[in-house]
Amino acid sequence: DIVMTQSPDSLAVSLGERATINCKSSQSVLYSSNNKNYLTWYQQKPGQPPKLLIYWASTRESGVPDRFSGSGSGTDFTLTISSLQAEDVAVYYCQQYYSTPLVTFGGGTKVEIK
Amino acid sequence: EVHLVESGGGLVQPGGSLRLSCAASGFTFSTYEMNWVRQAPGKGLEWVSDINNSGNTIYYADSVKGRFTISRDNAKNSLYLQMNSLRAEDTAVYYCARIRWYGSGRASGMDVWGQGTTVTVSS
Repeated sequence: DIVMTQSPDSLAVSLGERATINCKSSQSVLYSSNNKNYLTWYQQKPGQPPKLLIYWASTRESGVPDRFSGSGSGTDFTLTISSLQAEDVAVYYCQQYYSTPLVTFGGGTKVEIK
Repeated sequence: EVHLVESGGGLVQPGGSLRLSCAASGFTFSTYEMNWVRQAPGKGLEWVSDINNSGNTIYYADSVKGRFTISRDNAKNSLYLQMNSLRAEDTAVYYCARIRWYGSGRASGMDVWGQGTTVTVSS
């Protein structure tokens, strides 16, 4: 199984400041035949189901604000919130789709307001 | 509007059974691969099971293999999860989720989720 490791477990950021979340996979999730990284990011607010934010490591889902961006390739990935808003308080999960359908999630990163 | 609504959760004793349902609306259910994902109290997300659009290709997490059965009825726009031999560690919110391929030739994410149904296994 591909193991996904997120860091930090939690972070507190001031409103308007940048938040950075890291995700590392135990093996590459880059699919060589189409050069896409099968890495997806989700946001889960308290009491709600997860919401898909970014797929293919860096492509924003329709309707997701552009303050959310994803980067990275191979085994190391980052989710960045460029200017934290109050509504961004949530737990963020990465997920690998390389070994689909046997997909795995990271442990989650809780983002709070400082 | 696209919707997934789970039902069937509840309190069950260890060793018991439950059948979860997920009703889909607002999209052509029969063309989508579907998943069950669960979340234990205060914990992260765990993929449980996958079924392709026609229902003839199925996968399970090792943690539920041999105990859980996923199925679907495309005529009823419904997804199911039959859970047998339930254990305390199966206690979780169970979500159904739609799989998107985004034209890449491979599944790439879960783009629609239900609100979840809670399963509690306790004596």
